[in-house]
Amino acid sequence: AQSVTQLGSHVSVSEGALVLLRCNYSSSVPPYLFWYVQYPNQGLQLLLKYTTGATLVKGINGFEAEFKKSETSFHLTKPSAHMSDAAEYFCAAVLSGNTPLVFGKGTRLSVIA
Amino acid sequence: EAQVTQNPRYLITVTGKKLTVTCSQNMNHEYMSWYRQDPGLGLRQIYYSMNVEVTDKGDVPEGYKVSRKEKRNFPLILESPSPNQTSLYFCASSRGGPSYNEQFFGPGTRLTVL
Repeated sequence: AQSVTQLGSHVSVSEGALVLLRCNYSSSVPPYLFWYVQYPNQGLQLLLKYTTGATLVKGINGFEAEFKKSETSFHLTKPSAHMSDAAEYFCAAVLSGNTPLVFGKGTRLSVIA
Repeated sequence: EAQVTQNPRYLITVTGKKLTVTCSQNMNHEYMSWYRQDPGLGLRQIYYSMNVEVTDKGDVPEGYKVSRKEKRNFPLILESPSPNQTSLYFCASSRGGPSYNEQFFGPGTRLTVL
């Protein structure tokens, strides 16, 4: 079945440390991939997306993600965590054709001072 | 300001009492959709609409109805709510389908069905 899997429902990092949030997808064709962030009591907003072209994608707030077809992954990284990065992060994908967006279950990021 | 608005933001109701959650966008987007968010399950799509008068089921449509009579509005209707529909609901819109396009999300509606 086509799906999006986020490894780790909760990730905790120290302020200034590397942020790595993992996302794997299952699809028989190249997907369109997205990362969304949800701050407390707010809707989701787009961090970055991969559709075609360069596999390393830069987004807002210093985040980036790399599409690795061989690993079916789209992990989100940020070199140095800030307290304001504490939020829930969702990986999402359009896995084939013009099918609806499928979301992973989310990863809650905590940043410790 | 470009935005997606939802009303109400919070709602507590009782089993079986029909309710409607409104969604409106001011960006002239063709595509609109409804999601529910539950702890540990992420977001799951309820219904979506590619354009006026065109709607289709998402992953979890049971117990819900929608309509798209105007481009800007996409209300979610619960004809007979049940406790398992207690959830956080998000409306979203985008220009065209979801493949290339950023989804713009509303602020959410927290529904409790007693």
